[in-house]
Formats: sequence, C-alpha cells, structure tokens
Amino acid sequence: GAGVSQSPSNKVTEKGKDVELRCDPISGHTALYWYRQSLGQGLEFLIYFQGNSAPDKSGLPSDRFSAERTGGSVSTLTIQRTQQEDSAVYLCASSLAGGGISYEQYFGPGTRLTVT
Amino acid sequence: QKEVEQNSGPLSVPEGAIASLNCTYSDRGSQSFFWYRQYSGKSPELIMSIYSNGDKEDGRFTAQLNKASQYVSLLIRDSQPSDSATYLCAPFRASYGKLTFGQGTILTVHP
Repeated sequence: GAGVSQSPSNKVTEKGKDVELRCDPISGHTALYWYRQSLGQGLEFLIYFQGNSAPDKSGLPSDRFSAERTGGSVSTLTIQRTQQEDSAVYLCASSLAGGGISYEQYFGPGTRLTVT
Repeated sequence: QKEVEQNSGPLSVPEGAIASLNCTYSDRGSQSFFWYRQYSGKSPELIMSIYSNGDKEDGRFTAQLNKASQYVSLLIRDSQPSDSATYLCAPFRASYGKLTFGQGTILTVHP
C-alpha cells in the first residue's frame, strides 16, 4: 500500500517568510509524528498526534513552530518567520499505535527546507 | 549521559563479514526497540523491531536485546556493499509516544 507522503519535497524560502509542510500518513494509522534532521545531526522529535488526543508539543523548538492534524489524517507543520537555523529535513512518520508491533513508525521521504 | 549512545563509527567491514552495531540506552522504561537504516540523502527505513530479551532473526539481520544491561545490538551477516548506510537505534516507551534516536553508526562495507 501507499506509504507516508510529504510535500513539498524541497522548499527554499527567504528568512522571515512563513512555510507550510504537509504530511499524509499511511491509511489507518492513528499516530503521526514530526521530526527534523539538521545536516550531520541526529533526528529531533518535534510533535506527536495520537487520535483525537491533544498533541504532545514538547519537542517544538519555539513558538514559531505549530502543527495541526485535520480529521485525524493529514497534518501540516507551519514555521512562521523562518530563520536560517530552521534549515533541515523535516520528516513525518506514522504508526498504528496501541502496543507491540503497532508502535512501529514508518517515515515519509521528508521535506528539505532551506532558509536563505 | 546521552539517552541513546551508539558508536558513531565509521565501522568498516569487508564484504561477506559480520557487522556488529551496538547501542546502549538510559531509559529503563523502554519497551520496544527499533533499528532504522538511513542511506545518505534518504529518510530512515525500519529494518528490525525487538521487544523481548534475547535474539530475533530476520534474514541476514539479528537483533539482540538485554534489558538488564540496557543494551541492544544489530548483527548483519554476509555484509554487502548495499548495506553501507547509517544505522539508527531507537528505544521506545509507549507513554512517551516518541522515538528517541541515537546519533547513528555509519557502516561501510567494502568489496
């Protein structure tokens, strides 16, 4: 079946502009996660949605970052007033959630964000 | 102490050899353990999951878990050049929801 999809695959923006990144999880997956990976760095957790529960926003680096998930499916990560340090690959993952193998997270191809 | 520690490598092995990748973690409440492979410029790909102490084999891959020692490893038998990638260890605790990744071990398999 279809995997996690993300758009755009690449985004170049000027410092100070707002950007929106989209994630479409695997059909039927109730949990959705955003991570980012800066050049040469590890994967950093940003935010986690599980069903209709309030999202875990503990990883968002500043209040310029926000995310929403509409209808329990598609998610949008918004970065306002982008800064150069926001340049990274933004990765979305989804999982069934609920114990055992259903916690396995599957990643999308990522969006490479470059802030100039 | 880092939450998840991996030898960053690079680990270089000849084709056909066994590659051994190690990971230690600090959260004793971790319940599930995942190994991801990440090729340069690509996103992480799940290759192994392990939940109980002991070994789990899947093809050329064997994951080993020792919760008492807070240690998990991945063995790759008959290593191939196509196995050259960064391998990420990720313990998971259901109540946290998120994965915590190590920095990854760079593996190079040379012909």
